[in-house]
Formats: sequence, structure tokens, C-alpha cells
Amino acid sequence: AQSVTQLGSHVSVSEGALVLLRCNYSSSVPPYLFWYVQYPNQGLQLLLKYTTGATLVKGINGFEAEFKKSETSFHLTKPSAHMSDAAEYFCAVSPLTGGGNKLTFGTGTQLKVEL
Amino acid sequence: KAGVTQTPRYLIKTRGQQVTLSCSPISGHRSVSWYQQTPGQGLQFLFEYFSETQRNKGNFPGRFSGRQFSNSRSEMNVSTLELGDSALYLCASSWLGDSSYEQYFGPGTRLTVT
Repeated sequence: AQSVTQLGSHVSVSEGALVLLRCNYSSSVPPYLFWYVQYPNQGLQLLLKYTTGATLVKGINGFEAEFKKSETSFHLTKPSAHMSDAAEYFCAVSPLTGGGNKLTFGTGTQLKVEL
Repeated sequence: KAGVTQTPRYLIKTRGQQVTLSCSPISGHRSVSWYQQTPGQGLQFLFEYFSETQRNKGNFPGRFSGRQFSNSRSEMNVSTLELGDSALYLCASSWLGDSSYEQYFGPGTRLTVT
């Protein structure tokens, strides 16, 4: 069974500082990988995804993530945090075949951005 | 293009009652998935429907059921509500039933069971 581990349930950064949110997956075969963001009282919005091809994936709002098979990781980064980035971030995986649209989510990381 | 809509947005029910939640996917999308989000268990997959057929099911009791109509709209039903069913229920739609395609989430229905 696939699983996702997000290290750090809460991360705090200063505005303008680097954002690094960690995600490791467990799967016998590298799955599809996703990062979603959730603002208060809203649904989830896709930031970026890795399916095949280039391992460095660029997403919306200046975020990017790198798929590292050897480390089974898909960490999310942003060079310079903005106050509007404060939200909860979820890493998710989905199997390449047979899983349909089923997503398995990590427990989430609450990002706080301070002045 | 209109996004995924869910109705109602908020709902309060009493233990033992049943509830039906509705999800209207983005026009043209054929896949609808449902998720339960709670502080304790996080985001958990309930089930997925594609072209009116349930294709995947999560690890939830039989009290949780769903269906999809020919216009791709979906409903989920929870019977004999328990306090632990209080959660945000999210639905997501996708053009095809392949997870490489983006899933678009609705704002959710906040269910409170008293």
C-alpha cells in the first residue's frame, strides 16, 4: 500500500525566506506525486504534480518540487515566502495504474509566514 | 468555466439520522471522487465514480454510499449518523479516470453531527 509522510506538522518562516516542506512516499513503484494547498474554509487547490519526465516540477505561485527516486522524496520549495502563502499544504500520491483517481494524502503541514 | 459545486455547504444533523450530500462536477468531467477530512484522521478517500460506476472504494463502513448520475453529478449518503462522522466532505472532479489528470476540488460540505 502506498503512504505519504510529511515531516513537520507546523512550519514557520519569515516573509522573504525560503520555504521547504518535506514529503516522503512509500511505494514499490514510483507513483504520481502531488502537492495541494488548502486555505481556511476552502477546498484543495493543486500546486503541482509529477507524473513522468522532468524531475523538477514547477507549479503555481512560485512553488516547485523535485522528485528524487533514490530518496523517495518530493519536497516542496519556494525561494521567497509571502504572507499569502500561509495555508495548509498536503502531499499526495496516486498509483500509476489501477488506482483510478484515488489520492492518498499526507497529514498536512501548516505553513505560517511571519513579518 | 464554473468550478466544482457542493451543496449544502453546512449541515447539522442528529446522531442516528441520515444525510445526502451533492456534488456537481466541472462540465465535461466524468470522474467524481469523495474525501472525508477530519482533524484526527486527515484526508481519507471514500470512493470514486466514473461514468456512473463506482471504481474505487476506501476503507469506510457500508453506512457510507454514493452514486453518480448520467450528467456526472454525484451524491453521497451517510446513514445512521455517528458523532465521528462530523467532518468536511470534499468532492473532486476530473476529466478522465486517470490520476495523471488534475483533480479539481469543491469547497466542501461541513457536516456536524450532534
